[in-house]
Amino acid sequence: EDQVTQSPEALRLQEGESSSLNCSYTVSGLRGLFWYRQDPGKGPEFLFTLYSAGEEKEKERLKATLTKKESFLHITAPKPEDSATYLCAVRFNAGNNRKLIWGLGTSLAVNP
Amino acid sequence: DAGVTQSPTHLIKTRGQHVTLRCSPISGHKSVSWYQQVLGQGPQFIFQYYEKEERGRGNFPDRFSARQFPNYSSELNVNALLLGDSALYLCASRMAGTGVADTQYFGPGTRLTVL
Repeated sequence: EDQVTQSPEALRLQEGESSSLNCSYTVSGLRGLFWYRQDPGKGPEFLFTLYSAGEEKEKERLKATLTKKESFLHITAPKPEDSATYLCAVRFNAGNNRKLIWGLGTSLAVNP
Repeated sequence: DAGVTQSPTHLIKTRGQHVTLRCSPISGHKSVSWYQQVLGQGPQFIFQYYEKEERGRGNFPDRFSARQFPNYSSELNVNALLLGDSALYLCASRMAGTGVADTQYFGPGTRLTVL
């Protein structure tokens, strides 16, 4: 079954304590894996798109990596303003179409 | 550059009423998708429109309908509102195509509360 699973569901870090969020997927024909950040009551903010295993992208304290089965979002020395829900979505081939499946997100809280 | 815009920001309706939500995509984007998001869940796909044609529909009842206009803006309509329709409604636009054109950008959302 095509599935996207994010872990952990929730993560609490101290300011400066680096960690990683995981997005694992079981789809074939990957066309792209997307990371978004969402603040409460607001629309998701685009962070990264990864297309192939081995690809890495960075933005400030965030670094996203991709393997054939999962993606990691590494957060280096997080600050309280990094607190948000991080969503992962996977686009893949489904017959003649492409589908997009979303994970449930990881809620990150960074304490000062 | 302006991002995706949505209106209204918040809306309170009563059961049985009808609601229209509006979305303007990023300039140059021809594809618009609508999502429903309830607290603690990922976005649930409702519709996708490209070049004014419906290109995808999620598992939502016929009370939900949408359309895209020649300027690529879009409306989502929901009839006979139920309490369970209370959610954040998100609009996303993309250029459409492959590669970087496949990335969706979201608007701020419309918070719908049904009483």
